[in-house]
Amino acid sequence: DVKVTQSSRYLVKRTGEKVFLECVQDMDHENMFWYRQDPGLGLRLIYFSYDVKMKEKGDIPEGYSVSREKKERFSLILESASTNQTSMYLCASSFVLWSNYGYTFGSGTRLTVV
Amino acid sequence: QQQVKQSPQSLIVQKGGISIINCAYENTAFDYFPWYQQFPGKGPALLIAIRPDVSEKKEGRFTISFNKSAKQFSLHIMDSQPGDSATYFCAAINTGNQFYFGTGTSLTVIP
Repeated sequence: DVKVTQSSRYLVKRTGEKVFLECVQDMDHENMFWYRQDPGLGLRLIYFSYDVKMKEKGDIPEGYSVSREKKERFSLILESASTNQTSMYLCASSFVLWSNYGYTFGSGTRLTVV
Repeated sequence: QQQVKQSPQSLIVQKGGISIINCAYENTAFDYFPWYQQFPGKGPALLIAIRPDVSEKKEGRFTISFNKSAKQFSLHIMDSQPGDSATYFCAAINTGNQFYFGTGTSLTVIP
């Protein structure tokens, strides 16, 4: 089974802190994604990466950046956390970009910014 | 702009009843329509999916109905069970180009 592992289940950070969310996948997938999930808004794409060191903005990239130095690892960075970034963050990976084939999610990181 | 509109936002169904969740889309380039199921504390997982050349797909108690002319598709859960209580997301994919999720439906099945 493909596993997508997010390093933290829950995080509490202070406003203005730099926050790192880590995601690791073990299936040699080319593509990795970061979503945020909010009630009534569903899943919104923040950033995605289709190769090492390659990244593309999703629908809501403002206030976020990403890093992909190794194929298996995709990090989401909040440069200066704000309360409106309190959310559930989901990482996913896939074999084919924008295809349902092998699209697997991690269990999520619930981030609270106080 | 929401590419995939999903309703209702929440749904309460008695055990044994039928749960129905609806989705609508505008972009006719979408060519694959999956449904995801998410239990508390877990990420979404693929439940069932359909292509637009088929009007219905059934897997166990779960059925997708697809109306291409109306650009609508729905998930039906027959004989709903408390273990089906979860959040359900529809999605629409334009293979190679786009992948959009609906806003989610929180389903509660009461014993």
